[in-house]
Amino acid sequence: AQSVTQPDIHITVSEGASLELRCNYSYGATPYLFWYVQSPGQGLQLLLKYFSGDTLVQGIKGFEAEFKRSQSSFNLRKPSVHWSDAAEYFCATNYRNDMRFGAGTRLTVKP
Amino acid sequence: EPEVTQTPSHQVTQMGQEVILRCVPISNHLYFYWYRQILGQKVEFLVSFYNNEISEKSEIFDDQFSVERPDGSNFTLKIRSTKLEDSAMYFCASTGHSLAKNIQYFGAGTRLSVL
Repeated sequence: AQSVTQPDIHITVSEGASLELRCNYSYGATPYLFWYVQSPGQGLQLLLKYFSGDTLVQGIKGFEAEFKRSQSSFNLRKPSVHWSDAAEYFCATNYRNDMRFGAGTRLTVKP
Repeated sequence: EPEVTQTPSHQVTQMGQEVILRCVPISNHLYFYWYRQILGQKVEFLVSFYNNEISEKSEIFDDQFSVERPDGSNFTLKIRSTKLEDSAMYFCASTGHSLAKNIQYFGAGTRLSVL
């Protein structure tokens, strides 16, 4: 069955530290891949997307993600986290018009 | 920057009552969607709408749900007889072209609380 997995429910990092949020998908072929962020009381904001081409994609707010076909992964990274990055992060896939979301990873940023 | 707007931000209703959740998609978009997020759970697809009809729906979208685009700007989700388990955040989204290629833009959501 098609699925999106975010193994980490909650991650805490110190401000200024690096961040990596994991995402794995299970599909017969490579879907389109997305990362969304949801701040408290806010909607889902697109951080970045991968359709094809360069496997390292840059997004807004200093985020990047790397698509690794061999690992069926699309991990989100940021070299230096800011307090304002505290939010819920969702990985999502779109395969043949079937859009699915992971369960989300809550990011807490310590001062 | 154009955005999807949803009203109200929070709706409280009694079990068995009808509710209508409202969305104003981005003005030149053609495809519209509703998603649901039960507290602590995944965002789940409910329904997609194009050319004034439902194009796809999930198993969650049963007979108690309906969608409508009553005019050129609004897109509504109606729940006829709410149940406790309908309590969730409901997100509206829109996109300009085929979902497979383009990005969905999401509203801030409506939190529905069924008492």
